[in-house]
Amino acid sequence: DAGVIQSPRHEVTEMGQEVTLRCKPISGHDYLFWYRQTMMRGLELLIYFNNNVPIDDSGMPEDRFSAKMPNASFSTLKIQPSEPRDSAVYFCASTRTASTDTQYFGPGTRLTVL
Amino acid sequence: SQQGEEDPQALSIQEGENATMNCSYKTSINNLQWYRQNSGRGLVHLILIRSNEREKHSGRLRVTLDTSKKSSSLLITASRAADTASYFCATVNTGANSKLTFGKGITLSVRP
Repeated sequence: DAGVIQSPRHEVTEMGQEVTLRCKPISGHDYLFWYRQTMMRGLELLIYFNNNVPIDDSGMPEDRFSAKMPNASFSTLKIQPSEPRDSAVYFCASTRTASTDTQYFGPGTRLTVL
Repeated sequence: SQQGEEDPQALSIQEGENATMNCSYKTSINNLQWYRQNSGRGLVHLILIRSNEREKHSGRLRVTLDTSKKSSSLLITASRAADTASYFCATVNTGANSKLTFGKGITLSVRP
């Protein structure tokens, strides 16, 4: 299995631009998670899906952030408009069942907003 | 919000020594997991211990869980330079359905 795939690996953009991050979970996994990692705040859960349905988006910082999962093999995290404080590494992770299974992380997307 | 609090924040040891890292948490859990993150990479799962377990081993890793104290420890024996990484504890809280809450991590440096 290829593991969780994220694209792009690096993104540099200017303030005000729209940013779209992409994730392909491991086949057969029915949970998908989006995290953000910064030095100041550590690893924060932004949103997670179960069977393509958003379950908990309480970690999404504000309305500028949105996430979708149109099918079991693809999810996007969009920031519009982007701000310098959104600069972080964004991780996608997937898992197979509730409570007991471990999460498998993608390599992350390093976002820099100038 | 952070659930796990790791201790120490940073640890530097000589190759061959043992490394002990601690994690405390606040609420009732289903399980506790430890992850490793190498610089510039994603997190990799190391070991999971369920709330009804007290100790678990995997290779050079030993994890303990004390639910009465709401704490866990990760022991890496005979450390290697390749163990240099950040280590995170994460909990699945009761009723949280796969939602992991991570601590801020411990930076381990193993000197050759």
